[in-house]
Amino acid sequence: ETGVTQSPTHLIKTRGQQVTLRCSSQSGHNTVSWYQQALGQGPQFIFQYYREEENGRGNFPPRFSGLQFPNYSSELNVNALELDDSALYLCASSLLASGKYEQYFGPGTRLTVT
Amino acid sequence: AQSVTQPDIHITVSEGASLELRCNYSYGATPYLFWYVQSPGQGLQLLLKYFSGDTLVQGIKGFEAEFKRSQSSFNLRKPSVHWSDAAEYFCAVGQQDMRFGAGTRLTVKP
Repeated sequence: ETGVTQSPTHLIKTRGQQVTLRCSSQSGHNTVSWYQQALGQGPQFIFQYYREEENGRGNFPPRFSGLQFPNYSSELNVNALELDDSALYLCASSLLASGKYEQYFGPGTRLTVT
Repeated sequence: AQSVTQPDIHITVSEGASLELRCNYSYGATPYLFWYVQSPGQGLQLLLKYFSGDTLVQGIKGFEAEFKRSQSSFNLRKPSVHWSDAAEYFCAVGQQDMRFGAGTRLTVKP
């Protein structure tokens, strides 16, 4: 069974730029959620994708957007990067409609905005 | 609105001693509760979960947690801590949009 993978591991961008982060879900899972974890804090829910549609969103501006592909992999796009976007971005996969809401996390992408 | 509070930012215990990490939640319905562990620079690993039924749940690595509805708590326990347990521990509540606490950092003294 393949776990959740994310790429890249680390990324440095300049304020105002755009970034795309990628996630491959665990085999058998159909749902992907994205979280932002600032230094010293717990993860905060950005959004979730199920059947290629956004299935819930946290308190993040529209410049945070995502995609889910037919193979259940996903992308997180952030436009107009701000310094406060520097964080660990975590992807988690789960099997929605199974009645079991546990999410399995990838290792994360560390984004630094300068 | 759902929320999680972990009152202890940092806890230090001696190796072999018992451990209890506190978690209080606020949730409108029957909560789905989780404990995750995060080692430095790593993602989160699920330790255990509570959905319903027996209020004492067993997890991996010898951890257990007890759901107490009257106290809105879901504390994590381990009878004997190992040096490898040193990490950040997060309590979370919710379904699709999980809410996490701020975490408790565990240091283990030799």
